Amino acid sequence: QTVVTQEPSLTVSPGGTVTLTCASSTGPVTGGHQPNWFQQKPGQPPRTLIYSTNNRHSWTPARFSGSLLGGKAALTLSSVQPEDEAEYCCLLNFGGTLVFGGGTKLTVL
Amino acid sequence: QLQLQESGPGLVKPSETLSLTCTVSGLSISSSSYHWAWIRQPPGKGLEWIGSISSSGITSYTPSLRSRVTISADTSKNQFSLKLSSVTAADTALYYCARRQQLGVDYWGQGTLVRVSS
Repeated sequence: QTVVTQEPSLTVSPGGTVTLTCASSTGPVTGGHQPNWFQQKPGQPPRTLIYSTNNRHSWTPARFSGSLLGGKAALTLSSVQPEDEAEYCCLLNFGGTLVFGGGTKLTVL
Repeated sequence: QLQLQESGPGLVKPSETLSLTCTVSGLSISSSSYHWAWIRQPPGKGLEWIGSISSSGITSYTPSLRSRVTISADTSKNQFSLKLSSVTAADTALYYCARRQQLGVDYWGQGTLVRVSS
């Protein structure tokens, strides 16, 4: 059973920068895992932010960026805004089997 | 503008079959390069991939649910469906339909809550 692990919670100050990570139990995350990142606010469906490691959708603010960092997928938020407070979840593709991470609750304080 | 909308019973009895439909507007589900997916989220918990169906009808399911899941499509109605058999309370969740393109998931439905209870 493949497990995808994220930080359970992180806190960042408004205007600051924070990096969330996404790790695989099978080994280093690579571009082949096509990391996706989603933002979810209470009572709302997820909204896709990043696909295939570092590609923003047309609706994704430029302050969100994706990368690979130290064997993990990473989502970096720069110039964090109060409205960025949300749950963030990653999705990895293991040869056609897709697995979500457990999510990171980001608090902006 | 692509839109996806889930529909189906909000309450299912234990051991019965959960059935949901996703109606797609703004794009034909027969369009190549896209897969149509089901994802769920138990209350207060994280997202779980259930499976998907391609534009040509090829299905793929997550291993832990494979024995109980069937995803099918009705191109004449531009809908795709989920059936999950032998449900238990652990299957209580918000069920989302979504579009998966080659490099990831982009569009999501609003989700529908299904409770398993007698």
